[in-house]
Amino acid sequence: DIQMTQSPSSVSASVGDRVTITCRTSQGVSNWFAWYQQKPGKAPRLLIYGASTLQSGVPSRFSGSGSGTDFTLTISSLQPEDFATYYCQQANSFPITFGQGTRLEIK
Amino acid sequence: QITLKESGPTLVKPTQTLTLTCSFSGFSLSTTGVGVGWIRQPPGKALECLALIYWDDDLRYSPSLRSRLTVTKDTSNNQVVLTMTNMDPVDTATYYCAHIRGGAAFDIWGQGTMVTVSS
Repeated sequence: DIQMTQSPSSVSASVGDRVTITCRTSQGVSNWFAWYQQKPGKAPRLLIYGASTLQSGVPSRFSGSGSGTDFTLTISSLQPEDFATYYCQQANSFPITFGQGTRLEIK
Repeated sequence: QITLKESGPTLVKPTQTLTLTCSFSGFSLSTTGVGVGWIRQPPGKALECLALIYWDDDLRYSPSLRSRLTVTKDTSNNQVVLTMTNMDPVDTATYYCAHIRGGAAFDIWGQGTMVTVSS
């Protein structure tokens, strides 16, 4: 299985801040990579696929970058609705695996 | 508009078999490129992909759970069924089904169904 190392595990930030979350895979996954947002009691929501393509309806303050083994999710200016848990995911090989999550909290 | 919804028991006893149904609309599992996945999430923990089934009957199971899982599709009724045998308390989780786009990302998710394994 491809292991996913997501960091940080939690981060505190304020509205308007720029936040970056990183994910490293144990093997190269090309750009078969996605990011999700999950709020308590809700299903995950796809934000980014193909490492950098914004899913329809997702605000442009979210962006993704990277290829191979190192990936980044950036939120350019945090909004109140962005406080949630974020997960990375690879689909280069089965089993599809997810990171352990990054909890984004209000400072 | 694509929607998915999971249904099944909320409580199962250890050693019993769990059967969950994913009912969907807005797409067909007979269309080239289409797939449905099952993902679970124990309380407070991360997501785990259990299985994928594609339009061409290609099936992928998590290696760690392969011996316990069966996934079937009913194209006529727009349903995918997950069966997991020999349930254990560690299998307590919210179980989701999701539409997979381009074989790479889950773009539409069901609301999830919480399953508790307890005697």
